[in-house]
Amino acid sequence: EDQVTQSPEALRLQEGESSSLNCSYTVSGLRGLFWYRQDPGKGPEFLFTLYSAGEEKEKERLKATLTKKESFLHITAPKPEDSATYLCALAGTGRRALTFGSGTRLQVQP
Amino acid sequence: DTGVSQDPRHKITKRGQNVTFRCDPISEHNRLYWYRQTLGQGPEFLTYFQNEAQLEKSRLLSDRFSAERPKGSFSTLEIQRTEQGDSAMYLCASSLETNTGELFFGEGSRLTVL
Repeated sequence: EDQVTQSPEALRLQEGESSSLNCSYTVSGLRGLFWYRQDPGKGPEFLFTLYSAGEEKEKERLKATLTKKESFLHITAPKPEDSATYLCALAGTGRRALTFGSGTRLQVQP
Repeated sequence: DTGVSQDPRHKITKRGQNVTFRCDPISEHNRLYWYRQTLGQGPEFLTYFQNEAQLEKSRLLSDRFSAERPKGSFSTLEIQRTEQGDSAMYLCASSLETNTGELFFGEGSRLTVL
C-alpha cells in the first residue's frame, strides 16, 4: 500500500530563515511525486511534479528535490506570505488517485 | 471564473439526514476526483471518474456514500444517513487525462453533522 509521511508536522520560521520540509514515501512503483500548498479554508494548490530520483524543480523561494525514498521542499529566505500547509502526494503504478501525506504547517513570522 | 466550483460551501445537518454536494469541474477536464479532509490531515481519496465512468472507489468508502457524474460534466456526492464521523471538508478536484498529478481543487464543501 502506498504511504506518505511528512515531517515536521509544524514549523515556525523567522522571515529569511531557510529550512526544509521532508516527505518520505513507500510505493511499489512511482509514477510521480507532487507538492501542493494549502491555505486555510481553501483547496490545495499544485506546486511541483517530480518523476525520478535526482530531479529538481524550482519556483520562486521553493525548490523540490526527489530521491528514491524521500522528497524535500526547500524554502529559501521565506516570507510571511509563504505561511501555509504544504502537502506531499504520490501516484503509484496501477492507481490513478493521489495518496496525500498529512502535511507540514509552516508559519513564517515577520 | 473558470476554476472548480463546489456547492454548498457549508452544510450543517442533523445525524441521520441525507446531504448532497455538487462539483462543477474545469470544463475541458475529463477526470474528476472526490476527496475528504479532516482537520490536521491530508486529503483522503474517495472516488474518481473519467468522463461519466466511475473507475475507482476507496475501500474505506461506506455504502452510505454514492457519487455520480452524469454526462461527464458536473458531479454529485451524496451521503445517506449521516453520522457525526462524516463531518469533514469534502474536496472536489479535476484534471486532464494527460496530466493526472496536477489536480485543480475546488474550495470544498464543509459538512458538520450534529
